Amino acid sequence: AQSVSQHNHHVILSEAASLELGCNYSYGGTVNLFWYVQYPGQHLQLLLKYFSGDPLVKGIKGFEAEFIKSKFSFNLRKPSVQWSDTAEYFCATKAAGNKLTFGGGTRVLVKP
Amino acid sequence: GAVVSQHPSWVICKSGTSVKIECRSLDFQATTMFWYRQFPKQSLMLMATSNEGSKATYEQGVEKDKFLINHASLTLSTLTVTSAHPEDSSFYICSATPPGEYNEQFFGPGTRLTVL
Repeated sequence: AQSVSQHNHHVILSEAASLELGCNYSYGGTVNLFWYVQYPGQHLQLLLKYFSGDPLVKGIKGFEAEFIKSKFSFNLRKPSVQWSDTAEYFCATKAAGNKLTFGGGTRVLVKP
Repeated sequence: GAVVSQHPSWVICKSGTSVKIECRSLDFQATTMFWYRQFPKQSLMLMATSNEGSKATYEQGVEKDKFLINHASLTLSTLTVTSAHPEDSSFYICSATPPGEYNEQFFGPGTRLTVL
């Protein structure tokens, strides 16, 4: 079964700092990777996804992620965070039947 | 974007009672819906896949007789927690996906269940 691991459980940083969240997946054939964000009190929203093609994926709200096949990684980045980026971030991979397997999540707190 | 709603948003019930949670896709038809469970400070765990017009597919370790799923129409799936106990207290989240292999899942806002 496919699995996803996120290295950081909690990240605290100041506004304008750069953010990088790690995500590693286990190889299970075709790779479909996602990053979701869950703002406090809100539902999960898709930030970006990778199915194939350009390994550098641009998402919403200034986020991007890079698929590195040799490292089984799909790290999320944002050059300059804002207080409004405070949220929980989930990496996920899609298996057969369109099922999503989520990583453990990373709580990000951006201090104003 | 596609919108998925859940009702109720929160519910408190007594131990031994049953609770029904609804998941609706508001502006698209969903042949498949998914039910997840999220414990505090933990990730989402897939419970089951709900298929319109057929039986749900449950993940390993999920009791199908306890968590009854009905996907009666292309826009509605229900999860009924039967004979709820305090350990069933959790955040239940549904998602819906339009037809097509690469279509993303759209998530509902979740339902917080507290069993006293």
